[in-house]
Amino acid sequence: EVQLVESGGGLVQTGGSLRLSCAVSGFTFTNYGMTWVRQAPGKGPEWVANIKEDGSEKNYVDSVKGRFTISRDNAKNSLYLQMNSLRADDTAVYYCARDLTGASDFWGQGSLVAVSS
Amino acid sequence: DIQMTQSPSLLSASVGDRVTITCRASQSISSWLAWYQQKPGKAPKLLIYKASTLDSGVPSKFSGSGSGTEFTLTISSLQPDDFATYYCQQYNSYPRTFGRGTKVEIK
Repeated sequence: EVQLVESGGGLVQTGGSLRLSCAVSGFTFTNYGMTWVRQAPGKGPEWVANIKEDGSEKNYVDSVKGRFTISRDNAKNSLYLQMNSLRADDTAVYYCARDLTGASDFWGQGSLVAVSS
Repeated sequence: DIQMTQSPSLLSASVGDRVTITCRASQSISSWLAWYQQKPGKAPKLLIYKASTLDSGVPSKFSGSGSGTEFTLTISSLQPDDFATYYCQQYNSYPRTFGRGTKVEIK
């Protein structure tokens, strides 16, 4: 059974940092690109970043470039999102998801990040 | 960035109805379009990718069509479990972008 489990969310002050983790199981992690998607309260999903299977290519939405870093540890079957200089508009549920030729076919349950001043 | 425009934003329908949701891209995305269903408090669920390919386990009452800039999602016979919000997403180019969603509610 494919499983993705996020952790690391919480309440942080404006300008602070958080590192989200996504532990995966039930599939061969090294065969898939991975994605982070976030969803602010009452809004639609927003694609944040993705990373290729071997970590050789990373892409970001403009609003997080220079502040967020996506990475993966294939030996640990884990995906990460390092978030620095957090702002109020980063408040959202963050999902990790598996890439299926660009679409996302399996998602985690989400991790809430709340940024307050 | 490619803008994805969904219509309608709210769709009121009855059990058994056939419903169609439209998604328009601001430029051609070939067939690189996915449809997701989301229920409150849950992660989105992939229904269709590459515009018309059903994801594994998705019932055939869902169908997708289109290419270029105009796409549709059709649900052939609405059941109570289908009342949810539906999103399209393009993955032709970065950043991947989602539509604002169509909420399907019970009439």
